[in-house]
Amino acid sequence: EAGVTQFPSHSVIEKGQTVTLRCDPISGHDNLYWYRRVMGKEIKFLLHFVKESKQDESGMPNNRFLAERTGGTYSTLKVQPAELEDSGVYFCASSQGTSYYGYTFGSGTRLTVV
Amino acid sequence: DQQVKQNSPSLSVQEGRISILNCDYTNSMFDYFLWYKKYPAEGPTFLISISSIKDKNEDGRFTVFLNKSAKHLSLHIVPSQPGDSAVYFCAASARVGTGANNLFFGTGTRLTVIP
Repeated sequence: EAGVTQFPSHSVIEKGQTVTLRCDPISGHDNLYWYRRVMGKEIKFLLHFVKESKQDESGMPNNRFLAERTGGTYSTLKVQPAELEDSGVYFCASSQGTSYYGYTFGSGTRLTVV
Repeated sequence: DQQVKQNSPSLSVQEGRISILNCDYTNSMFDYFLWYKKYPAEGPTFLISISSIKDKNEDGRFTVFLNKSAKHLSLHIVPSQPGDSAVYFCAASARVGTGANNLFFGTGTRLTVIP
């Protein structure tokens, strides 16, 4: 079974530019989550999709962040315009149901805004 | 405001000895706790968990202890092996109380097991 795939693995962009991160969950997983870890800090929840619907987006920092999940398959997280404080590692996770045992993380996208 | 805290950024232990990683939390609504292990350039992987109705859960070399009154949990690894060297994240959930399915993580503790 393929795991959760994220790309790009690294992205370096200038302040003010736009970046789109992509996550392909494990096939059949209805639940998809985005998390972010800023350097040296905790991993923080951003939002949760159930299929194509946003179940909880309480962790989204501001309206420069836009997440979508087309057809309940892959998801994208767009940052526009990017700011320096957006730098960090963005993790995606997916699960079949709500059990944490099936909560599988991707390897993350390291975003650096310069 | 951080609700899950790991106050030790790093820990070094000799191979074969016990590793004890600590975690404190502030939210009394948390009802489920997990430990994740993370290697460089990889995502966190689930290690062990415990429900708030228990005070101990064991899985091979890994044991998690929960002290609800102190809002404290710990992960014990015995015996420690060099392959255990990684960053360990403590996480908590308040699903029963809030219905939310997200996890709250600590900042992580980097464990180094010295051969």
